[in-house]
Amino acid sequence: DQQVKQNSPSLSVQEGRISILNCDYTNSMFDYFLWYKKYPAEGPTFLISISSIKDKNEDGRFTVFLNKSAKHLSLHIVPSQPGDSAVYFCAARGGATYQGGKLIFGQGTELSVKP
Amino acid sequence: DVKVTQSSRYLVKRTGEKVFLECVQDMDHENMFWYRQDPGLGLRLIYFSYDVKMKEKGDIPEGYSVSREKKERFSLILESASTNQTSMYLCATIRDRINSPLHFGNGTRLTVT
Repeated sequence: DQQVKQNSPSLSVQEGRISILNCDYTNSMFDYFLWYKKYPAEGPTFLISISSIKDKNEDGRFTVFLNKSAKHLSLHIVPSQPGDSAVYFCAARGGATYQGGKLIFGQGTELSVKP
Repeated sequence: DVKVTQSSRYLVKRTGEKVFLECVQDMDHENMFWYRQDPGLGLRLIYFSYDVKMKEKGDIPEGYSVSREKKERFSLILESASTNQTSMYLCATIRDRINSPLHFGNGTRLTVT
């Protein structure tokens, strides 16, 4: 079963506007959530994270929101830039799945920011 | 900065070959992981290791094995490569602390023909 889901395979946004990427999870024991960005032929790079004791974390143009009751998190990018075009993965860990810090990933959302 | 180095960026192998993918990290991290990435499926965990000579199966270990003889090196082995193992393979490490991210290498794109 897919414990972390990104239901939008792709998203297209105009440069300067807001990009909102969404992620849902099913395991209520998850206590740490992350977003990674991946360019083709490169490994994922860590972008931003949030602990389950918070509902928002901000780092420059990137903000992650966590809604524990809805088991939903989102990544906001404001303003979007063409260099943000990449695949974005959300990931989670915690509870019985912790096992040395392994992460469970969503399927990814490909963001395209058009000039 | 954490450096995770995967020995090959691109590999092409034939069906039935034994394939070795190597990963080296320079940060003395305890835990290392092998994932594969496929379109529409995200990243799926193959194997991970807590320490030297320790290994644990991930979600999709079939057809793979691993070796960790030294702390800094974690190898993924495809015993007999098959076409359905064509994928992007990603090695990652973590210092086992609360709220630490995984650090990934640049990946190995493996094609099995």
